[in-house]
Amino acid sequence: EPEVTQTPSHQVTQMGQEVILRCVPISNHLYFYWYRQILGQKVEFLVSFYNNEISEKSEIFDDQFSVERPDGSNFTLKIRSTKLEDSAMYFCASSGSRTNTEAFFGQGTRLTVV
Amino acid sequence: GENVEQHPSTLSVQEGDSAVIKCTYSDSASNYFPWYKQELGKRPQLIIDIRSNVGEKKDQRIAVTLNKTAKHFSLHITETQPEDSAVYFCAARPNTDKLIFGTGTRLQVFP
Repeated sequence: EPEVTQTPSHQVTQMGQEVILRCVPISNHLYFYWYRQILGQKVEFLVSFYNNEISEKSEIFDDQFSVERPDGSNFTLKIRSTKLEDSAMYFCASSGSRTNTEAFFGQGTRLTVV
Repeated sequence: GENVEQHPSTLSVQEGDSAVIKCTYSDSASNYFPWYKQELGKRPQLIIDIRSNVGEKKDQRIAVTLNKTAKHFSLHITETQPEDSAVYFCAARPNTDKLIFGTGTRLQVFP
């Protein structure tokens, strides 16, 4: 069964450092997403990406965040200058169409900012 | 704004009993309602979903009902088993790309 894969599974970084979280969506999917989940809380939408551009972003997704699809398979989330409150599980997801279809989640990257 | 309320936050049942989790959404344009099961440290996994043109959907021990007028939808698990223990999230998709998640229900099924 195809699945979304994320690397690394766990990233520890110092406050102020840049991090890049990587995702390989399911190969024939066209819509890509990043969500985050602070420990013990709900999953929160960050950004959606389609046709090589951001289609929607949340208030959380400020100027410190950026996304990119550098080639035909990878989808990355960059946090430019990490803060303690960026510590969370970051999930990548992909879907085949925009509405009414399942979003498949990756296994997540646990980001710890110290 | 877009919001999904979920109740209860925790639910403990005896093995074999039923469990019901309820959600309410705010955006009447929402048209897709998935339920995810998340085990500790793992990714959310879709267990069932329902679209706005359907009132009820069943898959073995799991069923979901949708009341569009009241903007309510519910997850029903019958004959619960210890392996059903997890956190369950409802979600709603407004007429945009994203999913709005509920706050989660921690279900514990005691043998």
